[in-house]
Amino acid sequence: QLQLQESGPGLVKPSETLSLTCTVSGGSISISGYYWGWIRQPPGKGLEWIGSIYYSGSTYYHPSLKSRVTISVDTSKNQFSLKLTSVTAADTALYYCARHHHNPNYDYWGQGTLVTVSS
Amino acid sequence: QSVLTQPPSVSAAPGQMVTISCSGSTSNIGNNYVSWYQQLPGTAPKLLIYENNNRPSGIPDRFSGSKSGTSATLGITGLQTGDEADYYCGTWDSGLSAHVFGSGTKVTVL
Repeated sequence: QLQLQESGPGLVKPSETLSLTCTVSGGSISISGYYWGWIRQPPGKGLEWIGSIYYSGSTYYHPSLKSRVTISVDTSKNQFSLKLTSVTAADTALYYCARHHHNPNYDYWGQGTLVTVSS
Repeated sequence: QSVLTQPPSVSAAPGQMVTISCSGSTSNIGNNYVSWYQQLPGTAPKLLIYENNNRPSGIPDRFSGSKSGTSATLGITGLQTGDEADYYCGTWDSGLSAHVFGSGTKVTVL
């Protein structure tokens, strides 16, 4: 059974960089036809797609976050990562990693990790 | 402000049926597949419906999806207390070049 697990600091200071890693187990990240994405959910609010990556390294990002986001993949470790620069309190959210088809439909999700932006 | 509009809440008694609408445009629902997710309190979203009307393995047939024009609908029959959750629609928006999700609908079992 495929499992995804987010990891990273739970507290980030304003203007600094948020860094998270998603470790995939129970299957290969290099599977053809599937993408690996990051989605966030501010407390009490809805879901927002951040960006996605293919195992080849091809990426695409939400236009509103594109200038601050970098997603990378390490196939040797079966991991993919998120970096979000110049964070503000508005970036406080539960961050999920997930697998999706290109349609897109997200079929496997991590449990989520709460990141708080505060000094 | 989501580009996909859902009612904030719907409710019904156990055993009854509810439907949740997801309204969009030709940039998203009108020309792309729709998926639906269930988010139980304190948990990650779970895929309920993909490609408009298909259920993943393990999802009961009490859940159904449909699409017409620029709107999609999730139906839940035989409502159970365990169905109390937030439900989200999702799709690709060609104008934004982004995955988009609906605003979410809270289902309450009376």
